[in-house]
Amino acid sequence: DADVTQTPRNRITKTGKRIMLECSQTKGHDRMYWYRQDPGLGLRLIYYSFDVKDINKGEISDGYSVSRQAQAKFSLSLESAIPNQTALYFCATSDYQTGQAFFGQGTRLTVV
Amino acid sequence: AQSVAQPEDQVNVAEGNPLTVKCTYSVSGNPYLFWYVQYPNRGLQFLLKYITGDNLVKGSYGFEAEFNKSQTSFHLKKPSALVSDSALYFCAVRPSRGGYNKLIFGAGTRLAVHP
Repeated sequence: DADVTQTPRNRITKTGKRIMLECSQTKGHDRMYWYRQDPGLGLRLIYYSFDVKDINKGEISDGYSVSRQAQAKFSLSLESAIPNQTALYFCATSDYQTGQAFFGQGTRLTVV
Repeated sequence: AQSVAQPEDQVNVAEGNPLTVKCTYSVSGNPYLFWYVQYPNRGLQFLLKYITGDNLVKGSYGFEAEFNKSQTSFHLKKPSALVSDSALYFCAVRPSRGGYNKLIFGAGTRLAVHP
């Protein structure tokens, strides 16, 4: 089983719809992250969390929200999806000491 | 502003030849440096990291990287490329101070190894 699991793996949704992407981990890490990948732009940080009581905005948080339901679960929501949110989304955890990140397999989201 | 640059969008190399994928960074202090690889329809996989110590670090699949503090570079290398090395490669930096473990990623370099 994967250490970081994302659901769904693929999703097509319509403009204006609310959608939630889910992430769970078995690494036991406190730190969890949501990134967005676009061609030529690398990975950009949307939100990050260091424990269930700590939520922080990343560089591109507008239009997104998150919930840290438990140490192992971190979900990303698009309240009203728009086409330029079409992208590949990654959840990650990180080791406290080294900062090494462990990634899920990604969710490919298409907003039409 | 802190940043990571991967100056080449794509690197083409013949199988069996050495390969280099370049990375430079602009981060204060003594950062931690990482390389990740992404195969099609897959997440990012860790290749190697530099935290301290020997400037040449060895990682998975025969890859290695050389940390050069004066040039603020962390180039990825492999002595003999394989077709199966073809993938998207990301350099990432964790600032040593602040940043709370956040990684700053480069835009990625696509490596194409030709038979």
